Amino acid sequence: DTAVSQTPKYLVTQMGNDKSIKCEQNLGHDTMYWYKQDSKKFLKIMFSYNNKELIINETVPNRFSPKSPDKAHLNLHINSLELGDSAVYFCASSKGQGYYGYTFGSGTRLTVV
Amino acid sequence: QKEVEQDPGPLSVPEGAIVSLNCTYSNSAFQYFMWYRQYSRKGPELLMYTYSSGNKEDGRFTAQVDKSSKYISLFIRDSQPSDSATYLCAMMTGGGNKLTFGTGTQLKVEL
Repeated sequence: DTAVSQTPKYLVTQMGNDKSIKCEQNLGHDTMYWYKQDSKKFLKIMFSYNNKELIINETVPNRFSPKSPDKAHLNLHINSLELGDSAVYFCASSKGQGYYGYTFGSGTRLTVV
Repeated sequence: QKEVEQDPGPLSVPEGAIVSLNCTYSNSAFQYFMWYRQYSRKGPELLMYTYSSGNKEDGRFTAQVDKSSKYISLFIRDSQPSDSATYLCAMMTGGGNKLTFGTGTQLKVEL
């Protein structure tokens, strides 16, 4: 049973398109996150949701819009994709404030051409 | 300058060696410290977490935190080829909710 699952695993799309990435966790965690990993492997937080409520929005362009329909799901919609959006996007979840660590999904590799 | 600095490597060691991986940080409010391992094309997986200063051991892995020096370390004893991966340090303030990562150190353990 996959604990944090993301779809799709790979996404290749043209500049200007709109795309969505979905994330689901079956761990019973109440906090979910989106992280972006660049080509140098640097992981940077984008958003954090606790019980469907946005608690962190880390200076991300407003072309990125997260949505949490319930505490087990967190989706990421990206409008007007740009070349610089190419990266690996990771969803993660944690119990409470995450003091004991996060569980990450396997990532969505987004390539904008 | 990043809040958390980590030597990117690559670090290449022979099988059986003791590996030392390190991070320095600038934010004195960090209280929770973690190490993640990331295999190629996979998500990071949590190896160890510690709170405040001190040591923690788990099998072949030992994590050390020195808050006075703003320095954390991960030691791997009897390293194996299966330990070849990128190791990411991460830390969090007492307020929680935001894990800040280092840039990762790529480790290769050779036969």
